[in-house]
Amino acid sequence: GDSVTQMEGPVTLSEEAFLTINCTYTATGYPSLFWYVQYPGEGLQLLLKATKADDKGSNKGFEATYRKETTSFHLEKGSVQVSDSAVYFCALNLFSGGYNKLIFGAGTRLAVHP
Amino acid sequence: EADIYQTPRYLVIGTGKKITLECSQTMGHDKMYWYQQDPGMELHLIHYSYGVNSTEKGDLSSESTVSRIRTEHFPLTLESARPSHTSQYLCASSGDPGANSPLHFGNGTRLTVT
Repeated sequence: GDSVTQMEGPVTLSEEAFLTINCTYTATGYPSLFWYVQYPGEGLQLLLKATKADDKGSNKGFEATYRKETTSFHLEKGSVQVSDSAVYFCALNLFSGGYNKLIFGAGTRLAVHP
Repeated sequence: EADIYQTPRYLVIGTGKKITLECSQTMGHDKMYWYQQDPGMELHLIHYSYGVNSTEKGDLSSESTVSRIRTEHFPLTLESARPSHTSQYLCASSGDPGANSPLHFGNGTRLTVT
């Protein structure tokens, strides 16, 4: 069935380190892919998205490329800050027969230390 | 800034009480969702609605019920709260049809049943 798998956390980094959070998916159709971020005590916010193969989503220094050949959408940032500490969710959205099918990964907690 | 509002933010209540968690959005979105988020961060869809007078159960069985009498309002009700209902509840909405439309989340209600 359709699913999203992301790397387990917590991921602990020092400030200015390079970040990668892996995300792979299984889907029967052609999904759109999303990364959401959840800061402490808040709901989820859209971080970036990509709607078709080879698209690159980017926002706030984060990037992710929709790789159909490897069914992946890994999140990267060149230099993390303490303020990036949050939980990151990878998600896919399939649209079929007039209905959306939304699937979230389990979330990866990132802790950035000064 | 949030265009989707959840109240209360925190609720501590005794076993057996009836509670209603409020969710309202000002974006005119047809689709609305309720997710339950466990302490391990994973999101579980418990209810969704594609428009007025349309409600469906999600992937995770829940004793809660929902209603959608107005487009902007999607309250969740527990007739008799139990400690097993202790969790974070997140409401979300989405607008345009298709797979590209992201979810907009409220800040959540953290429910504790004693």
